[in-house]
Amino acid sequence: GENVEQHPSTLSVQEGDSAVIKCTYSDSASNYFPWYKQELGKRPQLIIDIRSNVGEKKDQRIAVTLNKTAKHFSLHITETQPEDSAVYFCAASMRNFNKFYFGSGTKLNVKP
Amino acid sequence: SAVISQKPSRDICQRGTSLTIQCQVDSQVTMMFWYRQQPGQSLTLIATANQGSEATYESGFVIDKFPISRPNLTFSTLTVSNMSPEDSSIYLCSVNTGRNTEAFFGQGTRLTVV
Repeated sequence: GENVEQHPSTLSVQEGDSAVIKCTYSDSASNYFPWYKQELGKRPQLIIDIRSNVGEKKDQRIAVTLNKTAKHFSLHITETQPEDSAVYFCAASMRNFNKFYFGSGTKLNVKP
Repeated sequence: SAVISQKPSRDICQRGTSLTIQCQVDSQVTMMFWYRQQPGQSLTLIATANQGSEATYESGFVIDKFPISRPNLTFSTLTVSNMSPEDSSIYLCSVNTGRNTEAFFGQGTRLTVV
């Protein structure tokens, strides 16, 4: 099955700085890559996603890049704010199956 | 989008007993999934709940331990059988409304086995 690796496991930044989280996947058949944010005690919520037919997608302060050849994708958060503090999970979905394989998570701490 | 109601939200159970978790969706969905999230860990897929047929289990998970029902397109149950403390975890129901689209999650069931 698919194997998704995520780094770093923890990330601490100053408010206003940028944060970058990186993931790699193993199965070239994966073609959908969502990013989820999970606040303490809450369910995961989608923040951005990318499909394999594009290399980059941006939504305000959040962007995701995908390198299909290298099988890696990254989440970029600019101008971080304290409310960005949470655990972020990347995931990969195998073609036509819709089940997600998640990375190990990154705990982001934005210091005011 | 999809609104998912999952219950119970939490439970404390004795080892050796079983707990059934229910997942109700506000619309018909083809694909429903069950995940486990151990404390401070990532989400691990347990199985795909198939309507009208047996669930499809991921490596490391078996039907005898985690029987799943999917009687219709809006409802599924996951049973955690013969529980041990190692089963203490959060169990989440998830649905997709289309292929390669966002997954929506229930609020989770926090299970503690004592």
